[in-house]
Amino acid sequence: QVQLVESGGGVVQPGGSLRLSCAASGFTFSSYGMHWVRQAPGKGLEWVAFIRYDGSNKYYADSVKGRFTISRDNSKNTLYLQMNSLRAEDTAVYYCAKDRDRWLVSWFDPWGQGTLVTVSS
Amino acid sequence: DIQLTQSPSFLSASVGDRVTITCRASQGISSYLAWYQQKPGKAPKLLIYAASTLQSGVPSRFSGSGSGTEFTLTISSLQPEDFATYYCQQLNSYPPLTFGGGTKVEIK
Repeated sequence: QVQLVESGGGVVQPGGSLRLSCAASGFTFSSYGMHWVRQAPGKGLEWVAFIRYDGSNKYYADSVKGRFTISRDNSKNTLYLQMNSLRAEDTAVYYCAKDRDRWLVSWFDPWGQGTLVTVSS
Repeated sequence: DIQLTQSPSFLSASVGDRVTITCRASQGISSYLAWYQQKPGKAPKLLIYAASTLQSGVPSRFSGSGSGTEFTLTISSLQPEDFATYYCQQLNSYPPLTFGGGTKVEIK
């Protein structure tokens, strides 16, 4: 079955960096676009970034543009999110999610279990 | 950017009730709308996509309708496992891919 497992979350000081990973299994990873979505404590969902199945196209939310970088390694079935210049408002659970359909930007299905990032001094 | 406004933001209902949640888009999005269910401490789960298509494995008491700027999620007979927060999401115009603010369904 399709499985997405995030890792790399933790506590970091403002201005610091962190890299999240999302290990994928149970499907042909190289055929699907992938997303990062975050959820601040007690708040709603915020889409963060998307990467095309082959890595050739990437989109970002304005709130993270220039600070976060999404990437993927199709040989390792792994998605990444490099987060630099972190701010308190980046504190959230970060989920990776798979596009439901091959090749296209699509609905998010399924999602990983999430990893918590806390930005605090 | 397309804004999605959900109403109500909170509703209290009983088991067996018919529940309707509305999502309004700031501009037309055709049928490019999905609904997700999120239970406390868990990841969201896709319920409905393309406004009215039920995701595989989702109970038939869930249904979606609408197009353009107004959409609804209906639960025909609320079950104990349906108490959760529901989000709409648009796929018509991106970036960004936007979500509604959520509707929390609680037990009356």
